[in-house]
Amino acid sequence: EIVLTQSPATLSLSPGERATLSCRASQSVSSYLTWYQQKPGQAPRLLIYDASNRASDIPGRFSGGGSGTDFTLTISSLEPEDFAVYYCQQRSNWPLTFGGGTKVEIK
Amino acid sequence: EVQLLESGGDLVQPGGSLRLSCSASGFSFSNYAMSWVRQAPGKGLEWVSAISGGGGSTYYADSVKGRFTISRDNSKNTLYLQMNSLRAEDTAVYYCAKALTPGTTTTFDYWGQGTLVTVSS
Repeated sequence: EIVLTQSPATLSLSPGERATLSCRASQSVSSYLTWYQQKPGQAPRLLIYDASNRASDIPGRFSGGGSGTDFTLTISSLEPEDFAVYYCQQRSNWPLTFGGGTKVEIK
Repeated sequence: EVQLLESGGDLVQPGGSLRLSCSASGFSFSNYAMSWVRQAPGKGLEWVSAISGGGGSTYYADSVKGRFTISRDNSKNTLYLQMNSLRAEDTAVYYCAKALTPGTTTTFDYWGQGTLVTVSS
């Protein structure tokens, strides 16, 4: 099973600041890495698929990068609605696995 | 508009059974693989099971293999999860999720609102 480790666990930032989230895989997942956003009481929302492709209706301030074992999600300038938990997920191998999440909170 | 509506969650005793349903609308259901993903209270996401559009291929997490069965009825646009031999650690909100593109199983672009399964005596 591929283990995804997300860091940091919590990121405390102010609106307007840049957020950089990390996801590291225990073995190569090529570019088969997805990012989701989840707000309290809501289902996850697809942000980025295949490492760097923005999903429909996702603002341009969200971008993804990386390949192999190291990936990043960048939010260029945090908006109030971006404070949430972010999960990465790999689809390279069965079973599909998720990272433990990074909470982006208001500083 | 794509809509996924789960139902069937309940309080059940350890060792008991439950069947979850996910009613889909707004897309050609039979063309898309579907998955179940769960989230224990206050915890992260855990993929549970997936099924291809035609239903011929199924996949399970090790934690549920042999106890859970995923299925679908394309004539009713409905996805199911039969859960047997339930354990306390199966307590979670269960989401159904739609695959992003036909022919793939493993990136989810739409999710239901979730249904809560509580396993407790």
